[in-house]
Amino acid sequence: QITLKESGPSLVKPTQTLTLTCTFSGFSLNTSGVGVGWIRQPPGKALEWLALIYWDDDARYRPSLKSRLTVTKDTSKNQVVLTMTNMDPVDTATYYCAHRGHLADRSGYNFDYWGQGNLVTVSS
Amino acid sequence: SQVLTQPPSESVAPGKTARITCGGKNIGSYSVHWYQQKPGQAPILVIIYDSVRPSGIPERFSGSISGNTATLTISRVEAGDEADYYCQVWDFISDVVFGAGPKLTVV
Repeated sequence: QITLKESGPSLVKPTQTLTLTCTFSGFSLNTSGVGVGWIRQPPGKALEWLALIYWDDDARYRPSLKSRLTVTKDTSKNQVVLTMTNMDPVDTATYYCAHRGHLADRSGYNFDYWGQGNLVTVSS
Repeated sequence: SQVLTQPPSESVAPGKTARITCGGKNIGSYSVHWYQQKPGQAPILVIIYDSVRPSGIPERFSGSISGNTATLTISRVEAGDEADYYCQVWDFISDVVFGAGPKLTVV
């Protein structure tokens, strides 16, 4: 059974760096094809993909936020960490981590298992 | 890069059929996935790869693509189907792209 859970602060100040941890079980980030992504959702707004890290340490980022985002993994702890620098009130959102779902013979992928989300408010 | 266009909202009567669209240039050349999100909950997949139902999803949910539009169809709509529905694709340039996620209201 695959599970994921986000942890981190609920409140950060403007200009601070946000660090969120995704702790997962039921799969290994050492396995070929596996990936963990981060998606956020401002209150009342749509889902927005942020980043994804693959089993081979390849990391992909939302182009408009690439300069502010870093995603890393610790396979020994079954964790993925997202850092986002220079936080602003517009970054207030629920941040989700999710398992990359894919079929080997099809292009593209989805997110088939999600964490419960971590609401982060950016305010002084 | 791909941009997915969804209507802001849809409404349907119980027992009727709801059709939620997702427009995008050459969307037929992409794999389209659909998520259902209820208030306060994480999204769940209801359709993967255009028309495949994941395990546990009722047969009332189906997906199709025609021209530049993907459609999620929900037959015999129930009150519990009231939610936001997001389409999603993977694009080589933008990576993951979500639609706006219109709210389906069951009236």
